[in-house]
Amino acid sequence: AQSVTQLDSQVPVFEEAPVELRCNYSSSVSVYLFWYVQYPNQGLQLLLKYLSGSTLVKGINGFEAEFNKSQTSFHLRKPSVHISDTAEYFCAVPYSSASKIIFGSGTRLSIRP
Amino acid sequence: EPEVTQTPSHQVTQMGQEVILRCVPISNHLYFYWYRQILGQKVEFLVSFYNNEISEKSEIFDDQFSVERPDGSNFTLKIRSTKLEDSAMYFCASSEETGGDYGYTFGSGTRLTVV
Repeated sequence: AQSVTQLDSQVPVFEEAPVELRCNYSSSVSVYLFWYVQYPNQGLQLLLKYLSGSTLVKGINGFEAEFNKSQTSFHLRKPSVHISDTAEYFCAVPYSSASKIIFGSGTRLSIRP
Repeated sequence: EPEVTQTPSHQVTQMGQEVILRCVPISNHLYFYWYRQILGQKVEFLVSFYNNEISEKSEIFDDQFSVERPDGSNFTLKIRSTKLEDSAMYFCASSEETGGDYGYTFGSGTRLTVV
């Protein structure tokens, strides 16, 4: 069955520094992968998705992620973070039935001025 | 940009009471979902709904839960007899295609507090 593991529960970084949030997946079928963001007291917003094609996927707010099949990873990156990026980030994968998405445990990104 | 709308944003209820959480999915979407997030924990799948019937449900979605699309626009989650452990953020989502392949649009959630 498909699953995702987010290796870091919290990532503190300084403003304007680069950040990488790690996600590893396991899947026995074709892989689709997502990153969602949850800003404080808000719902979940789709940041980006990998369905097929180019392994480098660009999303909203300057984020990008790279699909790496050999390492079974889909890490999220941003070259320079802002205070407004403070949020919880969830990696997600469709479950085998494709009618639902399974979320990772989340990574809380905190930005220090 | 089209949105999924959830009401109320916060509901407090006494244990044993029934609650109905309401959602208005995006108008041309065909697939609807409920997820929940207990404070500090994972986002968990509850149920998916298509063509006026449940297409999949999790083990969390037991007999106290039900979903309904009473008209062409609303999608509701009913919890018949609430328990303390039902306290959580409940998210509605919808998708045009099978959401598992393309991702969903989520609402901003209803925070349910059972006292």
